Amino acid sequence: SQKIEQNSEALNIQEGKTATLTCNYTNYSPAYLQWYRQDPGRGPVFLLLIRENEKEKRKERLKVTFDTTLKQSLFHITASQPADSATYLCALVSSGGGADGLTFGKGTHLIIQP
Amino acid sequence: GAGVSQTPSNKVTEKGKYVELRCDPISGHTALYWYRQSLGQGPEFLIYFQGTGAADDSGLPNDRFFAVRPEGSVSTLKIQRTERGDSAVYLCASSLSSGYTDTQYFGPGTRLTVL
Repeated sequence: SQKIEQNSEALNIQEGKTATLTCNYTNYSPAYLQWYRQDPGRGPVFLLLIRENEKEKRKERLKVTFDTTLKQSLFHITASQPADSATYLCALVSSGGGADGLTFGKGTHLIIQP
Repeated sequence: GAGVSQTPSNKVTEKGKYVELRCDPISGHTALYWYRQSLGQGPEFLIYFQGTGAADDSGLPNDRFFAVRPEGSVSTLKIQRTERGDSAVYLCASSLSSGYTDTQYFGPGTRLTVL
């Protein structure tokens, strides 16, 4: 069956360090992979999208990689700040034509400690 | 500009009752999505509208769930004979169109509690 896995345990990182979050998937052929941020009591907020033929995408302190051989995406936050503390969700859009709803992982709760 | 709004923000109901959840998308967005998020889980796709029509309702869990978007703007998610397992946050999102790369903008959600 199709599965998206994110580390469900909280990730504690010291301020200033790089936080790296992992998203693994099985039995998918994603055309796109997206990363979202979700704060408590709020809806997810889009951060970055990466296509299947792209290896890496950057936006300010954020970097996403996409390895379709390993079936994995890594999400990096450099020079992390306490304000980066949130839950980060990866979401897949499958190939096959047409637009569909996103398929989300469970998310990883990131805590940046001062 | 205004984002996606959802009302009510919280809804408490009793098992067996009928509820309606409303979503106001961003003006001009033709695509509208409903998701359900249980505690500790990611959002789960329910249904997607392109304009007034439901383009994909494959995520609706059963026939107690129904959604409409009669004028291609506001959408209502309707749940009949609610069950305790329906308790979750119901999220609505809209996007400019239905392309793969069109960003989905989420509302704050409606927290539904079925007692």
